[in-house]
Amino acid sequence: EIVLTQSPDFQSVTPKEKVTITCRASQSIGSSLHWYHQKPDQSPKLLIKFASQSISGVPSRFSGSGYGTDFTLTINSLEAEDAATYYCHQSSSLPQTFGQGTKVEIK
Amino acid sequence: QVQLQESGPGLVKPSQTLSLTCTVSGGSISSGDYYWSWIRQPPGKGLEWIGYIYYSGSTFYNPSLKSRVTISIDTAKIQFSLRLSSVTAADTAVYFCASSGSGLFDHWGQGTLVTVSS
Repeated sequence: EIVLTQSPDFQSVTPKEKVTITCRASQSIGSSLHWYHQKPDQSPKLLIKFASQSISGVPSRFSGSGYGTDFTLTINSLEAEDAATYYCHQSSSLPQTFGQGTKVEIK
Repeated sequence: QVQLQESGPGLVKPSQTLSLTCTVSGGSISSGDYYWSWIRQPPGKGLEWIGYIYYSGSTFYNPSLKSRVTISIDTAKIQFSLRLSSVTAADTAVYFCASSGSGLFDHWGQGTLVTVSS
């Protein structure tokens, strides 16, 4: 099973600040890494697919990068509505796995 | 736009079998475009993929749950279902159904909380 480790676990950020979340895979997964965010009492929502590909309807302040084992989600100019828990997910091999989550709080 | 809706009992007794159904609308469950997954999230914790089924009936289960899980599909009813046997308190979670095309989970149900308690 591929283990995904996110850092940090928690981040408190002021609006308009830049946020960076990393996800490290226990073995190479190519670009089969996807990012979601989940707000309280909601289901997760897809933000970025295949490491860096944008999703229709998702604000352009969300971007992703990386390949192999190291990946990054960047939120440029954080907005209050971005308060959520962020998860990475790998679809390279079964079983599919998720990172443990990074909670982003707005100061 | 594919939409999914989970349904089933919100309370299950220990050692019994948890049964949930996911009803699909806005897309064809038998088109072959998607795999149909179950994912769960214990209260305050992260996401765990349980397994998926394809329209043909082929399945893959997470090895951590494989001995207790069955996922089935009813294309006529446009539903797929989850059965988890011999449940304990550790199986208390919000259970989501989701569709995955190309590996990523692009559509999710709203989730349903299942509590295991006597």
